Amino acid sequence: QLQLQESGPGLVKPSETLSLTCTVSGGSISSSGYYWAWIRQPPGKGLEWIGSIFYSGSTYYNPSLKSRVIISVATSKRQFSLRLSSVTAADTATYYCARWAEGGTTMGFDYWGKGTLVTVSS
Amino acid sequence: EIVMTQSPATLSVSPGGRATLSCRASQSVSSSLAWYQQKPGQAPRLLIFGASTRATGIPARFSGSGSGTEFTLTISSLQSEDFAVYYCHQYNNWPPGAWTFGQGTKVEIK
Repeated sequence: QLQLQESGPGLVKPSETLSLTCTVSGGSISSSGYYWAWIRQPPGKGLEWIGSIFYSGSTYYNPSLKSRVIISVATSKRQFSLRLSSVTAADTATYYCARWAEGGTTMGFDYWGKGTLVTVSS
Repeated sequence: EIVMTQSPATLSVSPGGRATLSCRASQSVSSSLAWYQQKPGQAPRLLIFGASTRATGIPARFSGSGSGTEFTLTISSLQSEDFAVYYCHQYNNWPPGAWTFGQGTKVEIK
């Protein structure tokens, strides 16, 4: 069974960089047909797609966050990471990593991590 | 950016009843529309993709319909475990770009 687990600091100071890592277990991060994504959810609010990465390193970002986001992948470690710079209180959210299945029997975010709450505060 | 608008914000339904949730896109997304269920403290779960195809393991009481700009998620005969927040998600752009979610509909016990 595929599992995703987010890790990283739960508290980040304003203007600093938020860094999170997602570790994938129970399956390969290098399979074609899958993309790896970060999605966030501010407290009590809806979901926002941050960006996605293919195992080859191709990245796709939400235009509204593109100037501040970098997503990278380390296939040998079965990990992908998120860096969000110049954070403000508006970036306080639960951050989820997820797998996007493209085609075949499923198309969608079919596996998710449990999420990690990141608070931006001094 | 394609704006996804869900209605109603909250839907009160009796157990065993039927729930009809709507999702409207600000421009056509063809059939590139998914529905997710989220319970408190949990990650979302994929229910429907391609506007009408149930994901693996999803009960037949969940059904999706629509195309273009108007979509519906119907839950027939609501079970206790179905009371949750439901989100629609458009993924019309490929490769991924500016994917957006609706703001959610909470289905609560009447």
